[in-house]
Amino acid sequence: EVQLLESGGDLVQPGGSLRLSCVASGFTFSTYGMSWVRQAPGKGLEWVSTISGSGGSTYYADSVKGRFTIFRDNSKNTVYLQMNTLRAEDTAVYYCAKDRVAKDTNWFDPWGQGTLVTVSS
Amino acid sequence: SYVLTQPPSVSVAPGKTAKITCGGDNIGGKSVHWYQQKPGQAPVLVVYDDSDRASGIPERFSGSNSGNTATLTISRVEAGDEADYSCQVCDTSSGHRRVFGGGTKLTVL
Repeated sequence: EVQLLESGGDLVQPGGSLRLSCVASGFTFSTYGMSWVRQAPGKGLEWVSTISGSGGSTYYADSVKGRFTIFRDNSKNTVYLQMNTLRAEDTAVYYCAKDRVAKDTNWFDPWGQGTLVTVSS
Repeated sequence: SYVLTQPPSVSVAPGKTAKITCGGDNIGGKSVHWYQQKPGQAPVLVVYDDSDRASGIPERFSGSNSGNTATLTISRVEAGDEADYSCQVCDTSSGHRRVFGGGTKLTVL
């Protein structure tokens, strides 16, 4: 069974930094891309970032580009999201998800349970 | 950037059919994926690549996509289907960005 377990969410002040982790199990981690998707309170889903299985390719939403960095350690079956210069609008539940690929498209399956990031003074 | 538009809410009586739409410019030329999210829970994939049901999803769930509208259809709606449903595409024209619709709250009357 595929399992994704996020951690690292916390209350942080505006301008601060935080690193999220997602430990995966139940599949060959290095052969799959991984993504982070967030959901602000009472709002819809927003894709944040994706990393390829090797870690050689990364993609970011415009809203986080230059502030967030996705990376992975395949020896630890873990994907990370380093979040810098955090803003109030980054407040959300952050989900880790396994990236599924077909010709010209990608989707997310499954998802972790999420970790809450609150940016507030 | 590519925009997906969903109605904020859809209501349906038990046993009836619910249709949740997802609009986008020539969305029929893209593959659409659908997620179900119940309160306090993580999203779950229900349909991928327009019309393929995810593992463990009842046959009552189906998807279609043509022109400017993709549709998630839920037949014989049950109380347990009450949830938020979101569509998603991959916008290859903007560098592998994934785009979500705003989500639709399905209420079972």
